[in-house]
Amino acid sequence: GAVVSQHPSRVICKSGTSVKIECRSLDFQATTMFWYRQFPKQSLMLMATSNEGSKATYEQGVEKDKFLINHASLTLSTLTVTSAHPEDSSFYICSARIRSTDTQYFGPGTRLTVL
Amino acid sequence: GESVGLHLPTLSVQEGDNSIINCAYSNSASDYFIWYKQESGKGPQFIIDIRSNMDKRQGQRVTVLLNKTVKHLSLQIAATQPGDSAVYFCAEVSSGSARQLTFGSGTQLTVLP
Repeated sequence: GAVVSQHPSRVICKSGTSVKIECRSLDFQATTMFWYRQFPKQSLMLMATSNEGSKATYEQGVEKDKFLINHASLTLSTLTVTSAHPEDSSFYICSARIRSTDTQYFGPGTRLTVL
Repeated sequence: GESVGLHLPTLSVQEGDNSIINCAYSNSASDYFIWYKQESGKGPQFIIDIRSNMDKRQGQRVTVLLNKTVKHLSLQIAATQPGDSAVYFCAEVSSGSARQLTFGSGTQLTVLP
């Protein structure tokens, strides 16, 4: 149980285009989902917290207009990187948390490369 | 606060030996701690957790020790196997309504044949 999927697993795009990443909880309802970014040899950095049916809460330094998050259902959250630039190239990982628990279950990650 | 490393500490152990991975956490208000394993190109995988009202918890081949006095967490892996090679992160959850997870800097474990 507690499986989280991400799609796509890998994406290469041109600078200036937008990319959408999907995060799904497959066998449970996730009232809260989280988006992280990870650069090589570094730890995971929280970008934003997404609660179903409400606006995401962004961490300091994360541009909400650049990283659009939508959490329209209890099993799906999407992250859209708008007008992507090479410095946005990174490993993006989502996680989902079941209501009233602390444990986060992580997706397999999405490798974004912006040319 | 967050702990982000610019490079990962490394630990190399012989197959079959025990491994001990250490972590210093930053927030004395944290009340829940988790160890995650991350293999290259994959998301973090839950290994074991511990609440602040405990100082030791055992799983299958893994033990987590918590020392709140010095804000230190350790993960012990018994009879380390090649499949244990990965980056290991500790994470803390602060008390309060947000319950956000904050990751430590990670340790690269390499198991030598």
